Amino acid sequence: EAGVAQSPRYKIIEKRQSVAFWCNPISGHATLYWYQQILGQGPKLLIQFQNNGVVDDSQLPKDRFSAERLKGVDSTLKIQPAKLEDSAVYLCASSLDGGSYEQYFGPGTRLTVT
Amino acid sequence: AQSVAQPEDQVNVAEGNPLTVKCTYSVSGNPYLFWYVQYPNRGLQFLLKYITGDNLVKGSYGFEAEFNKSQTSFHLKKPSALVSDSALYFCAVRDRGGGFKTIFGAGTRLFVKA
Repeated sequence: EAGVAQSPRYKIIEKRQSVAFWCNPISGHATLYWYQQILGQGPKLLIQFQNNGVVDDSQLPKDRFSAERLKGVDSTLKIQPAKLEDSAVYLCASSLDGGSYEQYFGPGTRLTVT
Repeated sequence: AQSVAQPEDQVNVAEGNPLTVKCTYSVSGNPYLFWYVQYPNRGLQFLLKYITGDNLVKGSYGFEAEFNKSQTSFHLKKPSALVSDSALYFCAVRDRGGGFKTIFGAGTRLFVKA
């Protein structure tokens, strides 16, 4: 079974530039998550999709971050414009459904904003 | 506010000795509880979860965790540590209420010495 795919693996941009991350979840998984993991901290949920609908985006900085999940499969997370404090690893995860199901994580995208 | 605490930044144990990684939480209701592990240069991996029933749950790689409702704790344990267990461990809690939002602890680094 193929795992969660993410690209790119690494990205370096200057502040005020824009960046986009892509995620392809495990086939058949209804729930998709984007997390931000700052060095030395646990993952922080940015947005959670159930199929192509948003379940929770309470911690997404909506003035600069946006995300979509077209057709309930792939998802993109965009940052525009980036700030220095956005430097982090962005993790995508998926699960069969919400609730008691465990999450499967992709390798992450390490973003450095200079 | 909902929170997860992992009180130890690092746990050091000798190979062959038992290990415990602590986790306490503050979440309303009866949450789902998870442990994930992050090996160097690898993504987060699911270890085990508590949904309901027996307070002692068993997971991958010989790990187990004990749920204690009165102390709101979910400590990770292993009877005999291996050097290969050295990694970063995260406790996660998911509210059973609407949305099933997941909150991660800050992580505990386990170092097993040969």
